[in-house]
Parts: sequence; C-alpha cells; structure tokens
Amino acid sequence: DVQMTQSPSSVSASVGDRVTITCQASQGIDSWLAWYQQKPGKAPKLLIYAASNLQSGVPSRFSGSGSGTDFTLTISSLQPEDFATYYCQQADSFPLTFGGGTKVEIK
Amino acid sequence: EVQLVQSGAEVREPGESLKISCKSSGDRFSNYWIGWVRQMPGKDLEWMGIVFPGDSATRYSPSFQGQVTISVDKSISTAYLQWGSLKASDTAIYYCVRQHPGGYLHFDLWGQGTLVTVSS
Repeated sequence: DVQMTQSPSSVSASVGDRVTITCQASQGIDSWLAWYQQKPGKAPKLLIYAASNLQSGVPSRFSGSGSGTDFTLTISSLQPEDFATYYCQQADSFPLTFGGGTKVEIK
Repeated sequence: EVQLVQSGAEVREPGESLKISCKSSGDRFSNYWIGWVRQMPGKDLEWMGIVFPGDSATRYSPSFQGQVTISVDKSISTAYLQWGSLKASDTAIYYCVRQHPGGYLHFDLWGQGTLVTVSS
C-alpha cells in the first residue's frame, strides 16, 4: 500500500497568513494526488485534483504542486472560512489511501 | 446539479446485518466509479472500496475485504454498502463518493454521510 504522510498534523495561523501543508507518498505516485477540505460535521470537499488542478468553484487562493513523492497544498491568504482539516489522497494504485490530515486552527 | 443522497442514520446491535444506500440524482450514473469512505469518530478518512455501475466491478481495500459488500443497482442509480455481522468497531460515518469526471480516482461528489452506531 502507498502510505501518505502529511505534515504538520496541525497548524495555527491568522487570517491573511500564507499556509503550506505537505504530503509525502511512500513511493512515487506521478501526479495522482488530490486535496480535500473537511469542516466539522460536514462531508469533505474536493479542492485540488491531479496534484495541481483547481476543482471548479474553489477559490484561487488554493493551489497545489508536486509530483512523484512530494506534494504541497498552499493557501495564499487564509480566510476565516478556511479553518478546517485538510486531507491528501493518492489515486495511483489500489488501495486508494488518504493522509492523516492537517488541522488548520485559528491563532 | 448532481447529488449523492444517502440513507438515514442507523442503530444496530452487534451481530446484526445492515445495508445502507447512496442514490445519485444525476444521469450517466453508470459511467463513474462510486466508492465508500469510512470516518470513525474523531478519526481520519479511510477508503473502503469502489464499484463501477456499468458492469458492477468492485475493488476493495484489504482492510475491508470480506468485512463489507459493495453493490449497485444501476436501474435506480443506487449504490449500497452492507454488513453481514456488525461489530461495535463499525460505528462510524460512512460517505459515498463519485469518481471525478476527468477519469481520475479522486472524488468530486460526496454524499451527506450515514452515521452507523453499533451498540448493545
């Protein structure tokens, strides 16, 4: 199985900050990586697919980069509605796997 | 707008069986893989498996193989997740998900989640 390791597990930030979350795969997954946002009590929402493609309707302050084993989700200017938990997910091989999540908290 | 609408919350005792559902409101249901994701209380997301409605092909995570059955009835655009004998550790929220239309096995549509509580 491909293990997905996210860091940090949590981050405290202020509105307007630039936030970067990383996801490392235990083996190369090309660009088959997605990022999701989950708010408490809600289903996750797709933000980025295929490593760097912004899902329709997602604000442009979200961006993704990387390929192979190392990936990054960047929020360029954190907004109040962005406080949530973020997960990466690989789609290179079965079983599909998620990272352990990164909680973005208010500083 | 296409939506995935899941069946309501369930409470069962250990050893009981259960089948929950996920109905797609859109067309082209047969064209995209439909999957299930588990989230235990306060925990992370776990991919369980997927089914292709066009031919009912399935793929399971080894962690869930033999523990659950994923099926589909394309005539009513509905996917199912079922257990033959529930355990307390099956208590979780279960989300159904749809494959991204671009063909990637990322999930652009999520159901609202079904809370399954297993307790004696």
